Amino acid sequence: QKEVEQNSGPLSVPEGAIASLNCTYSDRVSQSFFWYRQYSGKSPELIMSIYSNGDKEDGRFTAQLNKASQYVSLLIRDSQPSDSATYLCAVNMYSSASKIIFGSGTRLSIRP
Amino acid sequence: DTGVSQNPRHKITKRGQNVTFRCDPISEHNRLYWYRQTLGQGPEFLTYFQNEAQLEKSRLLSDRFSAERPKGSFSTLEIQRTEQGDSAMYLCASSSAGSNQPQHFGDGTRLSIL
Repeated sequence: QKEVEQNSGPLSVPEGAIASLNCTYSDRVSQSFFWYRQYSGKSPELIMSIYSNGDKEDGRFTAQLNKASQYVSLLIRDSQPSDSATYLCAVNMYSSASKIIFGSGTRLSIRP
Repeated sequence: DTGVSQNPRHKITKRGQNVTFRCDPISEHNRLYWYRQTLGQGPEFLTYFQNEAQLEKSRLLSDRFSAERPKGSFSTLEIQRTEQGDSAMYLCASSSAGSNQPQHFGDGTRLSIL
């Protein structure tokens, strides 16, 4: 089992709709969770961090965390073509306080 | 610009040559990380420093790879006797101390081995 798993996609969503990206992780005691956006040929850009169970909203983005299910998700409301990118889920492994493990990413495509 | 800076942006070299990359972190960040990323994969952890101390190295990091951060500021990553499989994007990130602190990435160095 991979430490951080994501559906590779591509996930195609019409413009204006909600895009839902999912991630599961294996380390039950992980404490910190991050979503990064990566455009093709560019470096990852942090868009959300979440540390407690529940929802965290920032503009059009909502991160959801369920530690009991070892599940974290990212919702993008009112999807725009500029949201087309690969979204990386990253988890801080408790066994190494500073080591972040990335999933392989989900490619999101917003169709006009 | 006070973000993470990496040089060079691109490096093309012949197999067997040595290469060195540089990373300048965000100035107030005392943690610095190196990752490698290949097409279709997420960044893969290589090593990290807190100040000048190298605190963790991936088991995947062969003895051809070495990283330094001599004064706790910039860092270098050297790959000796490069192999075709070393072709990848090498990413540097920095953060403040603390397990909850997010990492901020530089633009990366793309290495191509001929």
